[in-house]
Amino acid sequence: GENVEQHPSTLSVQEGDSAVIKCTYSDSASNYFPWYKQELGKGPQLIIDIRSNVGEKKDQRIAVTLNKTAKHFSLHITETQPEDSAVYFCAAPGSQGNLIFGKGTKLSVKP
Amino acid sequence: DTAVSQTPKYLVTQMGNDKSIKCEQNLGHDTMYWYKQDSKKFLKIMFSYNNKELIINETVPNRFSPKSPDKAHLNLHINSLELGDSAVYFCASSLGVGPYNEQFFGPGTRLTVL
Repeated sequence: GENVEQHPSTLSVQEGDSAVIKCTYSDSASNYFPWYKQELGKGPQLIIDIRSNVGEKKDQRIAVTLNKTAKHFSLHITETQPEDSAVYFCAAPGSQGNLIFGKGTKLSVKP
Repeated sequence: DTAVSQTPKYLVTQMGNDKSIKCEQNLGHDTMYWYKQDSKKFLKIMFSYNNKELIINETVPNRFSPKSPDKAHLNLHINSLELGDSAVYFCASSLGVGPYNEQFFGPGTRLTVL
């Protein structure tokens, strides 16, 4: 937590392609990494999360991978669809017990 | 049957005014939050309350004062509004304290200070 870097800030893909968003964190003690999706005009919503005792977690077309040694984790979306277009945020625990969010990735899926 | 609701959805006001944003959750959660999202979409926590008690207070100007009359409500009052306060403000709630609890966000309140 404390410092969470997210890349890229914007990502444009063709429908059906895969999309990957990467985040790095600074606190090696961090052990929980959620991903939130924010659709236009709405609040963020949790889509998947991973704890540090696993390296990968899948839920249908989305997956998250974690590399604790390198202190980075990634969101993978396969077979992208137009409804996947949104802003995606990664997050990690902060020192106050809160979540520190990355700066967001605006994903555009072109039909 | 809205889980986390905020009012108003839009708020346009002049510099120097005082305004409030209300938030209510019907999920039975103990913890509530206020976040500020600026024009670049950066999402930053402002306050967190657990059972009506303040537990997180980030470096927010004291013109911002949260109030929690009960654990289902967390309102945000802002005094002497400034241009830089223009942003989307999100209320959120979670079952318990700590980052491991899923946060449920409201639809946001877009504040524009002229």
